[in-house]
Amino acid sequence: GENVEQHPSTLSVQEGDSAVIKCTYSDSASNYFPWYKQELGKRPQLIIDIRSNVGEKKDQRIAVTLNKTAKHFSLHITETQPEDSAVYFCAAASNAGNMLTFGGGTRLMVKP
Amino acid sequence: GAVVSQHPSWVICKSGTSVKIECRSLDFQATTMFWYRQFPKQSLMLMATSNEGSKATYEQGVEKDKFLINHASLTLSTLTVTSAHPEDSSFYICSAMGPNTGELFFGEGSRLTVL
Repeated sequence: GENVEQHPSTLSVQEGDSAVIKCTYSDSASNYFPWYKQELGKRPQLIIDIRSNVGEKKDQRIAVTLNKTAKHFSLHITETQPEDSAVYFCAAASNAGNMLTFGGGTRLMVKP
Repeated sequence: GAVVSQHPSWVICKSGTSVKIECRSLDFQATTMFWYRQFPKQSLMLMATSNEGSKATYEQGVEKDKFLINHASLTLSTLTVTSAHPEDSSFYICSAMGPNTGELFFGEGSRLTVL
């Protein structure tokens, strides 16, 4: 089955700096890669996703890049703000929304 | 966007009792829902895939007789933790695939504490 590794497990940045979280996956059949933000005790919220026919996608301060050959994808957050502090999960699936396999999560702390 | 509602959000029960958690898709039909378990500071672990009108598919290591899943309608799936024990204490979250884009929508989660 799919195996998703996520790094780092914790990340502390200064407000205004950029944050990068990386994930690798094992199943070459995976073609859907969402990123979720989860605040303490709350449900995960989709913040951005990318499909395997695209190499990069951007939405304001958030971007995701995908390298199918190397089987890794990354989340980039620019101009970080304290409200970006949360746990971020990457995931991979062979079809959108189907049987997502999650990474271990990254706890992002943005210091004001 | 699509809304998935989960109830209850908090439950405390005595060891040996059974607890039912409901997951509802409020404004769309969900033929498939997913149930996850999340321990503190850990990732979401898929427990089972709930299919409307048929038996759930359980992940390896998840006891189907312990975690009963029923998906009797296109908008409701239930997870029953039978004979709960303290080690079953966890955050349980359901999800359903949205109607259009294939995006996965999550319920609010249910925090179970077994005394």
